[in-house]
Amino acid sequence: EVQLVESGGGLVQPGRSLRLSCAASGFTFDDYAMHWVRQAPGKGLEWVSGISWNSGSIGYADSVKGRFTISRDNAKNSLYLQMNSLRAEDTALYYCAKGRRGSIGAFDIWGQGTMVTVSS
Amino acid sequence: EIVMTQSPATLSVSPGERATLSCRASQSVSSNLAWYQQKPGQAPRLLIYGASTRATGIPARFSGSGSGTEFTLTISSLQSEDFAVYYCQQYNNWPGSLTFGGGTKVEIK
Repeated sequence: EVQLVESGGGLVQPGRSLRLSCAASGFTFDDYAMHWVRQAPGKGLEWVSGISWNSGSIGYADSVKGRFTISRDNAKNSLYLQMNSLRAEDTALYYCAKGRRGSIGAFDIWGQGTMVTVSS
Repeated sequence: EIVMTQSPATLSVSPGERATLSCRASQSVSSNLAWYQQKPGQAPRLLIYGASTRATGIPARFSGSGSGTEFTLTISSLQSEDFAVYYCQQYNNWPGSLTFGGGTKVEIK
């Protein structure tokens, strides 16, 4: 079964850091681009960051550029998001998503998300 | 950044009727456009990619059209399980910023 399982969310104070992880299974992880997408409570979807299969191409939303760092470990079938200098507006459910082969910016598999709450 | 605008924000439709959802890009995204469905408490599900290709397992009543800046998602005959929020998303900019529209909620009339 193809599956993505996020972890690492929680309550954190403004200005602090948090690292999210996404464990992939059921597909050849190092064949695909991977992404993080977030959704603030009651709001729409926002793409956060993406990384190509070999980490050669990386992109970030302007809202997180310079604060967040995406990475992957293909040997461990894992995707990460290092989030620094967190702000209240980063509060959201963070989804890990798999890019589709040939259309790497279309997300065909999603995890169930991990909640990040930034509050003092 | 490419801005994606969806209309209407809410669409009230009776079961069995056709629903037409629109998505406009602030600049051309070619055919690099996807549609997603999201139900409450669930992760989004990919419906359409490449503007008009149905994803695996998506029923034929869902169809996408358009290119450049104007796109449409049509649900030919709404079923009870289709009432949800629908998002369009452009991926023409990769590895630059990818952007979603604000969503259209399809509700029961």
